[in-house]
Amino acid sequence: QVQLVESGGGVVQPGRSLRLSCAASGFTFSSYSVHWVRQAPGKGLEWVAVISFDGGEKYYADSVKGRFTLSRDNSKNTLYVQMNSLRPEDTAVYYCARQCAGDCSGFDYWGQGTLVTVSS
Amino acid sequence: DIQMTQSPSSLSASVGDRVTITCRASQSIDRYLNWYQQKPGKAPKLLIYVASSLQSGVPSRFSGGGSGTAFTLTISSLQPEDSAAYYCQQSYNPPYTFGQGTKVEIK
Repeated sequence: QVQLVESGGGVVQPGRSLRLSCAASGFTFSSYSVHWVRQAPGKGLEWVAVISFDGGEKYYADSVKGRFTLSRDNSKNTLYVQMNSLRPEDTAVYYCARQCAGDCSGFDYWGQGTLVTVSS
Repeated sequence: DIQMTQSPSSLSASVGDRVTITCRASQSIDRYLNWYQQKPGKAPKLLIYVASSLQSGVPSRFSGGGSGTAFTLTISSLQPEDSAAYYCQQSYNPPYTFGQGTKVEIK
């Protein structure tokens, strides 16, 4: 069965860095674009970034551009986001999500999320 | 960037009611519009993709419509398990923006 499992969340001080991972299983990871979506406590969903199936294309929300960097290791079926210069407003649950293939452009599988808290 | 605006922000309806949520895009997104359901403490679940296609396993009481800039999500007969937040999302161009959400409560 398709699974996405995020890890790496925790409490970090403003200005510091954190790297999240998303481990995939149950499907051909190297064939799919994967996204990060975050949700601040009590707030709505915010799209963060996407990386194409081969890592050749990456797009970021303006709120994280220049601070977050996506990468993927298709040999390890794992997606990463390196988050630098973290701000209190980056506090959120971070989800990785698979973009479904073919005519479907939605996100059909999501991880359980990992909480990042940016606080001094 | 494409802005997505949902209405209403919340609603309360009775079991069996027909419920409609509207989503508007700030520019045409063709039919690249998805709907998600999210229950507290859980990840979002894809309900509808490309405006009107029902995701596998989603009950047929959910339906979507629209194109261009105006879209709807309809629940034909509201059930207790439909109490949740609902989000639209455009997948026409990055950034793949979400609407602000609609909270559906059961009376």
